[in-house]
Amino acid sequence: KNQVEQSPQSLIILEGKNCTLQCNYTVSPFSNLRWYKQDTGRGPVSLTIMTFSENTKSNGRYTATLDADTKQSSLHITASQLSDSASYICVVSARGTGNQFYFGTGTSLTVIP
Amino acid sequence: EAGVAQSPRYKIIEKRQSVAFWCNPISGHATLYWYQQILGQGPKLLIQFQNNGVVDDSQLPKDRFSAERLKGVDSTLKIQPAKLEDSAVYLCASSRVGGGVSSYEQYFGPGTRLTVT
Repeated sequence: KNQVEQSPQSLIILEGKNCTLQCNYTVSPFSNLRWYKQDTGRGPVSLTIMTFSENTKSNGRYTATLDADTKQSSLHITASQLSDSASYICVVSARGTGNQFYFGTGTSLTVIP
Repeated sequence: EAGVAQSPRYKIIEKRQSVAFWCNPISGHATLYWYQQILGQGPKLLIQFQNNGVVDDSQLPKDRFSAERLKGVDSTLKIQPAKLEDSAVYLCASSRVGGGVSSYEQYFGPGTRLTVT
């Protein structure tokens, strides 16, 4: 069964600290993996996208890693800011037809001053 | 470029009433998606259109939900009659091509928050 699991479910960190969010998946055949940021009351916005051959991708203070062998990904946030408070969703795409996108339940991050 | 537009942003209805949501995708995007996002969960795909044809509606509760994209541009999602468990955010997204063809990005609208009382 194609699934995407994220951990932790929620996280509270101090402003300026780093944090790492985890994503494990069982989606096959794998096409690509995306991390989205969803602010409260808004739609998700893409942060990074990685294909099978990529094992790291950065977007400013966000760095995503992918281990296609163990089917794990992480999103590392450096020097967190208050504006990083949001839900972070991992989405894995499968190759083929029909429903291609498998969404995790997200990690709710709260950055406090 | 303008983003994905959705309206209304918020809607409160009583159970058994009907409701409709509207989505206008990014110009030139052939694929349009409707998702249901229940509080604390990730989005769940309800229906995917490629131009004006349905690609996947396997998770759409067809006894009460319907969607159309008549001219291959904007789309409406309707619920009739609504149930309490339909309370959720309904997200519309669009992409240039379908998900099975490439890794083209999905762009999401702000969503419509539906509360059924």
